[in-house]
Amino acid sequence: ETGVTQTPRHLVMGMTNKKSLKCEQHLGHNAMYWYKQSAKKPLELMFVYNFKEQTENNSVPSRFSPECPNSSHLFLHLHTLQPEDSALYLCASSPGGKRDTQYFGPGTRLTVL
Amino acid sequence: AQTVTQSQPEMSVQEAETVTLSCTYDTSESDYYLFWYKQPPSRQMILVIRQEAYKQQNATENRFSVNFQKAAKSFSLKISDSQLGDAAMYFCAYRSAEGAQKLVFGQGTRLTINP
Repeated sequence: ETGVTQTPRHLVMGMTNKKSLKCEQHLGHNAMYWYKQSAKKPLELMFVYNFKEQTENNSVPSRFSPECPNSSHLFLHLHTLQPEDSALYLCASSPGGKRDTQYFGPGTRLTVL
Repeated sequence: AQTVTQSQPEMSVQEAETVTLSCTYDTSESDYYLFWYKQPPSRQMILVIRQEAYKQQNATENRFSVNFQKAAKSFSLKISDSQLGDAAMYFCAYRSAEGAQKLVFGQGTRLTINP
């Protein structure tokens, strides 16, 4: 595998379910990101991790809980979601530092029933 | 806060022709980066080209080039010799060179290539 991978590619869940999204990067990067892409809205940053430490939380509701066990893996734990949380969730990674470029995974299409 | 605006929700071009996608942004910073990303139906967000604000020379990547007008805060993407595989959503994005690492995206332009 190369680049940034995400699993699952599609997920359907009920409002009372608990599920997790997984992201893995094979680029040797030190920073990882979660973005949300909703229909007819620009991509929104959710979380940033640098060297496993969360450095940005863009006022995301607590029903989204990120986890970064190491620089190569990033999870997004989901619980008690709402239908309006249905979106494409994109993971990205970058080398880290102020002048780097982010590379994206293919995304997980989430539908909340 | 920075904002990015793409005023063309949809564009179309004939195969082998040239098309230009528009992007404007608003910032009070002097040092930043601008990007064009492509998102085909597969949903993978792919980096097309990157421009550093302190460089006057416009970035080019094969058939893709930008027209960066810093004073006008404009950053357009030109695609030459359009190919069917260029069909996608194109997003313009801004990143500060200092402080927050987040990318600020525009709303996107859907590009259709007509055979």
